[in-house]
Amino acid sequence: EDKVVQSPLSLVVHEGDTVTLNCSYEVTNFRSLLWYKQEKKAPTFLFMLTSSGIEKKSGRLSSILDKKELFSILNITATQTGDSAVYLCAVGVGGWGKLQFGAGTQVVVTP
Amino acid sequence: DTAVSQTPKYLVTQMGNDKSIKCEQNLGHDTMYWYKQDSKKFLKIMFSYNNKELIINETVPNRFSPKSPDKAHLNLHINSLELGDSAVYFCASSRGSTSYNEQFFGPGTRLTVL
Repeated sequence: EDKVVQSPLSLVVHEGDTVTLNCSYEVTNFRSLLWYKQEKKAPTFLFMLTSSGIEKKSGRLSSILDKKELFSILNITATQTGDSAVYLCAVGVGGWGKLQFGAGTQVVVTP
Repeated sequence: DTAVSQTPKYLVTQMGNDKSIKCEQNLGHDTMYWYKQDSKKFLKIMFSYNNKELIINETVPNRFSPKSPDKAHLNLHINSLELGDSAVYFCASSRGSTSYNEQFFGPGTRLTVL
């Protein structure tokens, strides 16, 4: 059975701290790994990774994929209160756009 | 200028009733999805349509029936609602039907079955 495991499940940090979120997976027919940010409503897309070792960056957020060890990390530097959210990792499985989601990591950034 | 919209946002109903949730996207995408997010926050795919054709049909009770009248719309009809159907249902869309296409999510419909 396909599995996506995120850790930690939750964390609380102070503004300005750096956060590292982990996502490991065991799936048949890996295609892609995606990160989403979910505040109160819809998950919003952050990154898609398909190749090992290539870092994707957007402002203070960055992510990298290791296809040999089957994991990805999402880093957030200089955190702000607006970064408080649930961060979801999803793995694209097979050819038809099926995303297998992890349980998410709840991040709380305190002022 | 909403990209993926769902109606209604909230739905409270009694066990045994039949209800529908509607989804529309104005992104010009050709693939649409239904996901269920339960109380533990796990998002699970239910169905996917590409150009009005069903391409993903996960293990979902046959009380759930999706319908795609055109590429921009995907509806979900649920018969004989049960307590366990209470969840947030998200619609999503993508340009292309492969796992290399990012999916854009709607705001969700919170269904509560009493």
